[in-house]
Order: sequence, then structure tokens, then C-alpha cells
Amino acid sequence: EVQLVESGGGLVQPGGSLRLSCAASGITFSTNSMNWVRQAPGKGLEWLSYITSSSTTIYYADSVKGRFTISRDNAKNSLYLQMNSLRDEDTAVYYCARDWGGEAFDLWGQGTMVTVSS
Amino acid sequence: SSELTQDPAVSVALGQTVRITCQGDSLRNYYASWYQQKPGQAPVLVIYGKNNRPSGIPDRFSGSSSGNTASLTITGAQAGDEADYYCNSRDSSGNHFYVFGTGTKVTVL
Repeated sequence: EVQLVESGGGLVQPGGSLRLSCAASGITFSTNSMNWVRQAPGKGLEWLSYITSSSTTIYYADSVKGRFTISRDNAKNSLYLQMNSLRDEDTAVYYCARDWGGEAFDLWGQGTMVTVSS
Repeated sequence: SSELTQDPAVSVALGQTVRITCQGDSLRNYYASWYQQKPGQAPVLVIYGKNNRPSGIPDRFSGSSSGNTASLTITGAQAGDEADYYCNSRDSSGNHFYVFGTGTKVTVL
């Protein structure tokens, strides 16, 4: 089955860290660029980060630059998001999404919830 | 600017046609993609590129673009089309790689 499955979400205190994972199956993960997107409760979608298939090109949104790090392990068919210095405003559902030709996200995971609160 | 602006909400009578618009400078250089999101679910791609539908998306969904405005049209809206819709494009301002629109809630009456 073609799917992306996120994991690693949970409750963390402000200033803390969390590492999200996205496991891919049914696709040739090593040939796909990938993205992280989040959605705060009751709010819209926010693109966070992009990584090419070989990790040679990486982009971040200003809101997470310097705090979040995207990475991947093609041997494990997995995408990661290391989140440091977490803030209340980072509370959201975090989605991984496959990049389609640099113009769309054609496959999404079900999301993992991250709550930053003391 | 790296903003994409959408009307917050629109309504459409069952079986009628509704157009959702997305405005932003980036759309002069890049096509928009469109996503449907129902409550508690992940977004689903419905339109990408000039006017392309992924497999399984009904042909009542179509896209168009002119200048700094992209549009998603639902022709013959169904009850199941009630959802939030988001546009997205590459960001030509150089600030970000991608940018999402503010989202439109579509209500089918």
C-alpha cells in the first residue's frame, strides 16, 4: 500500500526538543523530494521544509529556520524533522508530504500532533 | 510578497458551480496547486499544474490562472465537496520555497 506514516509527536515543554519521523511504503522513496507541512489547531496549512531525494538541497520557512532540521535516510525509507527550542506556537499537526515535480504535494501522511505546553 | 490570499468562505447550492480564487504575486511565475481538506483528515491534492487532476479526482474539479490569480472551479457541487480548500505555489519572493493560501471554507447548501 502506498502510504506515509508520521510518528514521534507528543507533549513537550517550551524550549524542549522532539524528533518526528515519516515512514514511507509502497513508493520509491529514494527518488522523491519530500516536505514537512503543519497545521495549528483551527488554522491553515503552513509549509515548513523541503529536502531533495539526495539531501543536496534543503529549504526552510522563516518561522522554523535555525530551530528545525529536516533529514532523510533513504535506506530506511524515512524522513525526519528534528525540532529544537520549541515554542507554544509550534503546537500543530505535522504532516509529511511527497513533492511532485516541485509544484505540488501529491501524497500526504495522516499527521502527528505536537503540543508545546508547560 | 510571499502571501497567497483566499476568501475565507463561500457557499454553493447543491449541483451549482462555485469558483474559489487565490491571489498572490507568486502566481505570475508559478502554477497553483489546490488541496481539499475535510475535518480531521489530511489534505488531498485535487488540481496541479495548468489544469491537471490526480487519478481519482472527479472531473467536476478544474483549475485556471490569469495574472496573479488562480482559480479552482467545482462544477456541479456535491455534498461531499464541502471542505476547506487551500491553494499553494512556489514562492517567487525568495523568502520561502513554497507558500500556502489562507484557505476557503466551502459550504454546500
